[in-house]
Amino acid sequence: DTAVSQTPKYLVTQMGNDKSIKCEQNLGHDTMYWYKQDSKKFLKIMFSYNNKELIINETVPNRFSPKSPDKAHLNLHINSLELGDSAVYFCASSQEGKLFFGSGTQLSVL
Amino acid sequence: GESVGLHLPTLSVQEGDNSIINCAYSNSASDYFIWYKQESGKGPQFIIDIRSNMDKRQGQRVTVLLNKTVKHLSLQIAATQPGDSAVYFCAERKGGSEKLVFGKGTKLTVNP
Repeated sequence: DTAVSQTPKYLVTQMGNDKSIKCEQNLGHDTMYWYKQDSKKFLKIMFSYNNKELIINETVPNRFSPKSPDKAHLNLHINSLELGDSAVYFCASSQEGKLFFGSGTQLSVL
Repeated sequence: GESVGLHLPTLSVQEGDNSIINCAYSNSASDYFIWYKQESGKGPQFIIDIRSNMDKRQGQRVTVLLNKTVKHLSLQIAATQPGDSAVYFCAERKGGSEKLVFGKGTKLTVNP
């Protein structure tokens, strides 16, 4: 009964490719997020959606495009991947400010 | 600006000792604070939270202390166990915002 699940867990790809990461939550939360964790473990928010509407869009290149088909799903599509995109990407959902994270997608761009 | 940082990037303790992990924040408008634990290969897990109208909150073996005067947050873990080994993050949220800003993390190692 995984609360926040994201796929794939590992993603290895070449520079210039386009890839997607999927996220689903079964907690009934209205708000979902994407966070990026770099090699130094620093966690930075990228996007937040509330009931399918974008509410937070940090300074993220427009190669990153989140899509929320319904409030239980928030997918992340990345175009023209660059070496610097290599990181662990975490999806999360929230209830009263408390975030529940998925297990992460480790993206390696070669 | 928004900034949440930690005094110590690593902490090593003996099993059974108490651990204290510290965090400094700079946004005086923050009204909600959370501690997360991240084990290797996993996502951050909620440990305990505290609102700015409190200065102490206790959970099972954990206590969070909030000192708004000096903008300091700490996590105390009693009788630390090997399973407590992880990276610990503090995070803050400004009142009225959905954005949770994370600190840099402290790696706790518990020696048997």
